[in-house]
Amino acid sequence: QSVLTQPPSVSAAPGQKVTISCSGSSSNIGNNYVSWYQQLPGTAPKLLIYDNSKRPSGIPDRFSGSKSGTSATLDITGLQTGDEADYYCGIWDSSLSAGVFGGGTKLTVL
Amino acid sequence: QVQLQESGPGLVKPSQTLSLTCTVSGGSISSGNYYWTWIRQPAGKGLEWIGRIHSSGSTSYNPSLKSRVTISGDTSKNQFSLKLSSVTATDTAVYYCARDWGRAVATWGQGTLVTVSS
Repeated sequence: QSVLTQPPSVSAAPGQKVTISCSGSSSNIGNNYVSWYQQLPGTAPKLLIYDNSKRPSGIPDRFSGSKSGTSATLDITGLQTGDEADYYCGIWDSSLSAGVFGGGTKLTVL
Repeated sequence: QVQLQESGPGLVKPSQTLSLTCTVSGGSISSGNYYWTWIRQPAGKGLEWIGRIHSSGSTSYNPSLKSRVTISGDTSKNQFSLKLSSVTATDTAVYYCARDWGRAVATWGQGTLVTVSS
């Protein structure tokens, strides 16, 4: 069972918007920076969002992140079939003194 | 641009020690405020953070694996390594090495599958 809780799956139609949530606690999301990763089938994860809401160079602005209290969200707008992937939130947990990931959310673009 | 490449045996027998090496190119493991990290992923499952070593040499480990894990660095070869002892079938996974700048894992290796089986 993950320290960070994500919905197992989400789905939406092409062009639509989807939101993926990540719920934690004061020892992780409440006091540290959240990052988000996209893992396309058969590939290594790729950093999508860091410091809660910043995008690395090359990541489209269709991807955005936010944080409030002990929860974080990843929004993806203008969905494309190529966005079908697993998405993970990640963070440092101060109580565990370890990195942790959410269980992952599978995005299906219908 | 930093690149990471995992290497090591793809098959390990139960109760033995899993040993993997990550070769880093395009950057030094001993400079900058970076953490050199190991993460694994069993087939069809999520990511599990194993541990990391800072450019200064300090280490942190997943509490659930701490008794079995050692991460070390070899600055002369610009490599860092993972040793996981007393492996069982539940340690079968794709193992990734990665560079973490403290708040996010920005650069990942391609991953290497390690199977624990007799």
